[in-house]
Amino acid sequence: DQQVKQNSPSLSVQEGRISILNCDYTNSMFDYFLWYKKYPAEGPTFLISISSIKDKNEDGRFTVFLNKSAKHLSLHIVPSQPGDSAVYFCAASDYGGATNKLIFGTGTLLAVQP
Amino acid sequence: NAGVTQTPKFRVLKTGQSMTLLCAQDMNHEYMYWYRQDPGMGLRLIHYSVGEGTTAKGEVPDGYNVSRLKKQNFLLGLESAAPSQTSVYFCASSWRGPGNQPQHFGDGTRLSIL
Repeated sequence: DQQVKQNSPSLSVQEGRISILNCDYTNSMFDYFLWYKKYPAEGPTFLISISSIKDKNEDGRFTVFLNKSAKHLSLHIVPSQPGDSAVYFCAASDYGGATNKLIFGTGTLLAVQP
Repeated sequence: NAGVTQTPKFRVLKTGQSMTLLCAQDMNHEYMYWYRQDPGMGLRLIHYSVGEGTTAKGEVPDGYNVSRLKKQNFLLGLESAAPSQTSVYFCASSWRGPGNQPQHFGDGTRLSIL
């Protein structure tokens, strides 16, 4: 039972264009969402997060959008740079809920072409 | 500031052997976690700890044991390694629970069981 889904295993974009990575979830109790970035042979590093009381959070070139009614979040990277090429994981948590754990999606490999 | 350090980085075991993976964090974090990452599966939580002397099961705890005798260290043990435990193992830590704060990850331990 995959509670957090990233249906696109890979995405390729041109440098300077927008990258949009998508994530869907099934558990309506999730109220905190994060995006992590992972380079090969390294651990995931935190990128940006959003609480369910918001529908948008921005940090420089990175913006996360949350659509609670659709149980969908997306990460926008503008403009995309070759250094953004990595695997991106979305994750969700229900703070204080039954799990008190972070549930990860399967990841999307982003390739930014120079 | 080292953050989260995992040792060893690589290890090859034979079926039935035992070993311990060590995770150390220098951020005085209360929460620590062990994940495994397998192709197409994302990161799955094995065990976690909410403080020194405490441990709890995650999504995939079978075949693993953990101990948190000191706040800064979280050990993951395999008593009798099986080929199904071939994976990349990540340790993470956070000051508070996963519901409102990102986790900091180590660079992983790549474990092969022959």
